[in-house]
Amino acid sequence: SQQGEEDPQALSIQEGENATMNCSYKTSINNLQWYRQNSGRGLVHLILIRSNEREKHSGRLRVTLDTSKKSSSLLITASRAADTASYFCATEEDFGNEKLTFGTGTRLTIIP
Amino acid sequence: DAMVIQNPRYQVTQFGKPVTLSCSQTLNHNVMYWYQQKSSQAPKLLFHYYDKDFNNEADTPDNFQSRRPNTSFCFLDIRSPGLGDAAMYLCATSTTGGETQYFGPGTRLLVL
Repeated sequence: SQQGEEDPQALSIQEGENATMNCSYKTSINNLQWYRQNSGRGLVHLILIRSNEREKHSGRLRVTLDTSKKSSSLLITASRAADTASYFCATEEDFGNEKLTFGTGTRLTIIP
Repeated sequence: DAMVIQNPRYQVTQFGKPVTLSCSQTLNHNVMYWYQQKSSQAPKLLFHYYDKDFNNEADTPDNFQSRRPNTSFCFLDIRSPGLGDAAMYLCATSTTGGETQYFGPGTRLLVL
């Protein structure tokens, strides 16, 4: 079953602008992760945030987690053409079932 | 470099003709996963192995089987492919369940 839904489904911005994607989920979680997928390729892990963390940074990426609202956001600052990809959130539910459930994804297009 | 390798990258099969997709890893990870991803959709977990312990998702069709002969290799067998099985098949690994997953490049399956 689908755990997460992402918003927006698609986003187009000019190079240099910031991109924000949101993820909502349904159950209690241990952690939430964000992955990037270039067209026709496998997924690449970007960042993991645990349920007791509220914000995390990695380079140009900033992730927030609000467990009371069951939501997360991914901010990419100073976007580049190479950031064009699909972005998925994924959650590990809190009963430790060894797996992730992926959201529906946001298709990000950076216009040079 | 340590990695997850999938062969072949593209596979064409005929309706009803059995096909096997392979995945190998040099990361020495305990957990291996198989996902099915259809166009513009989220990856859907089919099953996973924790060491030799096989875990099938409840909604994975019987048509899909898997084998893990050793730590490094995992196979996905589709016994009688239907047109609806055309998709990208992604293999992933992790050290323990629910943590960061490392994905292979995927095998795109076409059923004629």
